[in-house]
Amino acid sequence: EDKVVQSPLSLVVHEGDTVTLNCSYEVTNFRSLLWYKQEKKAPTFLFMLTSSGIEKKSGRLSSILDKKELFSILNITATQTGDSAVYLCAGAGGTSYGKLTFGQGTILTVHP
Amino acid sequence: DAGVIQSPRHEVTEMGQEVTLRCKPISGHDYLFWYRQTMMRGLELLIYFNNNVPIDDSGMPEDRFSAKMPNASFSTLKIQPSEPRDSAVYFCASSPIRLLGDTEAFFGQGTRLTVV
Repeated sequence: EDKVVQSPLSLVVHEGDTVTLNCSYEVTNFRSLLWYKQEKKAPTFLFMLTSSGIEKKSGRLSSILDKKELFSILNITATQTGDSAVYLCAGAGGTSYGKLTFGQGTILTVHP
Repeated sequence: DAGVIQSPRHEVTEMGQEVTLRCKPISGHDYLFWYRQTMMRGLELLIYFNNNVPIDDSGMPEDRFSAKMPNASFSTLKIQPSEPRDSAVYFCASSPIRLLGDTEAFFGQGTRLTVV
């Protein structure tokens, strides 16, 4: 059975701090690792990673994949209160495109 | 496009009643997914469709759950009879197909179901 594990489960920081969120995966016929941000409603897409060692960046957020060690990290620099959310990672694999296995999420709280 | 549209946004029902959740995917997307999210179990895939055909329903918890996709623009998830442990947020998501790999799934706003 496919499995995605995130750590830490929760994190409390102050504005301006840098955080690193971890995601390890065991996904059969792995193809991609996706990161989502979930505030009060629907998860919204952040990144999709398919190649090892290539960093993807969007503003203060960046992510990288290590396919040898089966993990990914999401970095957020200079955190703001608006970054407070649940961050989900998901592995895509198997014989059919589109199916995602999600981790349990990391709850990030950023205090002013 | 308005995105994935789910209805109702909130549903409160009594144990034993039938519940139907509805979803309109993004036009042109070939995949449709139903997820359930709880504090204990996180986001779990229940079932997904490709071109209106159910591909994998192994996540459907039991026979009380059923899902249909009669056409490319509409899907339902039905629980009959409902039980308190079915209380959760149910998300519908859709994604397009791309020749060389995965794409991100686009989520609806969810239906918060409470069974009392």
